[in-house]
Amino acid sequence: GDSVTQMEGPVTLSEEAFLTINCTYTATGYPSLFWYVQYPGEGLQLLLKATKADDKGSNKGFEATYRKETTSFHLEKGSVQVSDSAVYFCALSKNNQGGKLIFGQGTELSVKP
Amino acid sequence: EAGVTQSPTHLIKTRGQQVTLRCSPISGHTSVYWYQQALGLGLQFLLWYDEGEERNRGNFPPRFSGRQFPNYSSELNVNALELEDSALYLCASSLLEGASPMAYNEQFFGPGTRLTVL
Repeated sequence: GDSVTQMEGPVTLSEEAFLTINCTYTATGYPSLFWYVQYPGEGLQLLLKATKADDKGSNKGFEATYRKETTSFHLEKGSVQVSDSAVYFCALSKNNQGGKLIFGQGTELSVKP
Repeated sequence: EAGVTQSPTHLIKTRGQQVTLRCSPISGHTSVYWYQQALGLGLQFLLWYDEGEERNRGNFPPRFSGRQFPNYSSELNVNALELEDSALYLCASSLLEGASPMAYNEQFFGPGTRLTVL
């Protein structure tokens, strides 16, 4: 079945470091891809999305490019801040799956001053 | 604009009991989704309701059920609670725009209900 795999966490970085969180997916057809962020004690917020191959989603300095040839959707940010500390989830959805999101296991990011 | 709200925030139950969780979607949203975030199992899709009907169901036993009311709010019921039902239950809502493929529709999440089963 369809699935999403993320790099293991936790990831610990110093402020202003470069961030990459790897995400790969297995799916038939043409899924849409998402990154959600969960700050401590809160629900999930959509960070960015891409709906077709080669699309680049971007928001708040974060970027991810939908690579169909490598079935990947890696999250990047050039300079992280302490306020970026959160759990990041990669997810996919498909038109024939009734709107459900399939999530990766989540990657915890901790940014130190 | 108010976001998705869920109640209660926390619940403690014992094995075998029944529980009802509640969700109010964003005004104007017709679809409600339920997810379970259990420790070590990640986020798993439970149920999807749209326009009062159950549209899709995840791989959960029948003791997980729910409904959607005419005002689009929703309840999730769990009967015969088991220890492994301890989790954060997240509700999300979306507006299925007629011209947009379903996969594109953004889901807006509530803060969740933390259920502990002892």
